[in-house]
Amino acid sequence: GAGVSQSPRYKVAKRGQDVALRCDPISGHVSLFWYQQALGQGPEFLTYFQNEAQLDKSGLPSDRFFAERPEGSVSTLKIQRTQQEDSAVYLCASSWTGGRIGKLFFGSGTQLSVL
Amino acid sequence: AQSVTQPDIHITVSEGASLELRCNYSYGATPYLFWYVQSPGQGLQLLLKYFSGDTLVQGIKGFEAEFKRSQSSFNLRKPSVHWSDAAEYFCAVGSWGGSSNTGKLIFGQGTTLQVKP
Repeated sequence: GAGVSQSPRYKVAKRGQDVALRCDPISGHVSLFWYQQALGQGPEFLTYFQNEAQLDKSGLPSDRFFAERPEGSVSTLKIQRTQQEDSAVYLCASSWTGGRIGKLFFGSGTQLSVL
Repeated sequence: AQSVTQPDIHITVSEGASLELRCNYSYGATPYLFWYVQSPGQGLQLLLKYFSGDTLVQGIKGFEAEFKRSQSSFNLRKPSVHWSDAAEYFCAVGSWGGSSNTGKLIFGQGTTLQVKP
């Protein structure tokens, strides 16, 4: 596709449910980032992939959060046993550069609401 | 620790008036600085970036920003605002660190711009 695609656009989960959020980056992009944006706040870094390697997961808030990019393209962010504080917009971004901040292309995000 | 502060949470300007959005950063080395815009339901779009060189940088949609090291600022400006500029604006600094020296963005909390007709 022409841009970064994220699905679903909206997700409502009951507390304790597991969720999976998908990101399709721009074809050929090496770097992939996940960010979390709480209401009224700026995005906060979660994790970074260079191709299939997860090089930085320092921003993941707990061990309930898990991300993967097994073939170096599509990535999935999984949240286990969701809590209300997980409610946020989850943004995916990709870039053709590896290891440095190039021009990041952001998806429209997945808005997660945990009831 | 690296941080970005956008002192104005909400700004309202009249269409055709000039605009300045403030951004202050805290970073130990020479910063890489960015401005992004986010419209409702849309992803973040890069307006402009500063890596080095000329401290006045031009971006898309008629925006510009000036890097002032002495003031730790990177304010965004536009001479004449259009109604379509109404959106959320985020300033960000590039930060490197960790064992993989990952480059990541640290964002401010954003400024909401409202444009009056």
